[in-house]
Amino acid sequence: GQQLNQSPQSMFIQEGEDVSMNCTSSSIFNTWLWYKQDPGEGPVLLIALYKAGELTSNGRLTAQFGITRKDSFLNISASIPSDVGIYFCAGQGGGSNYKLTFGKGTLLTVNP
Amino acid sequence: SQTIHQWPATLVQPVGSPLSLECTVEGTSNPNLYWYRQAAGRGLQLLFYSVGIGQISSEVPQNLSASRPQDRQFILSSKKLLLSDSGFYLCAWSKTSGYEQYFGPGTRLTVT
Repeated sequence: GQQLNQSPQSMFIQEGEDVSMNCTSSSIFNTWLWYKQDPGEGPVLLIALYKAGELTSNGRLTAQFGITRKDSFLNISASIPSDVGIYFCAGQGGGSNYKLTFGKGTLLTVNP
Repeated sequence: SQTIHQWPATLVQPVGSPLSLECTVEGTSNPNLYWYRQAAGRGLQLLFYSVGIGQISSEVPQNLSASRPQDRQFILSSKKLLLSDSGFYLCAWSKTSGYEQYFGPGTRLTVT
């Protein structure tokens, strides 16, 4: 089946720093989604991408749909303590199959 | 607006006991519904999904079953729990023809 490689697995940064994480796949995806999960809660959708090359922002978050359709990137600018959590990428291959393939997540720790 | 509920929030059950977890969605009709399990290793494993009442697709052979008795109700069950069933169970919904999935708050299950 389809697999996503998400990196890095974890990050330790200082408040105010910028963060970058990415997901890559050997398969083409038609949709890329980025989620954030706080401890003990369900993941929350941050950004959805539907077109190759698309660049979308949500506040301090910016995500891009790779031009090859096999990768996606999430950047967080000027990190703050509440950015702590696990960030997941998810891809969907299109068509009537609505299942998502998830990356294993990036654990972000922000030191005040 | 749409909301998704899960209960109970936390559950401790002995090995061999039955299980019933419930998920309900408000504010939308004919959603696609999903059950995931998240182990301590962070990855999200899709267990079941449903595109309509009585329609269940199983992703992983296991000790669990799912049912959808009503349009916006999704139930996860087991007749006899195993230790390996412990984990964080997440329900999610998406629009009938949508790829964006929205997660509930989750149920923390500990099998002792």
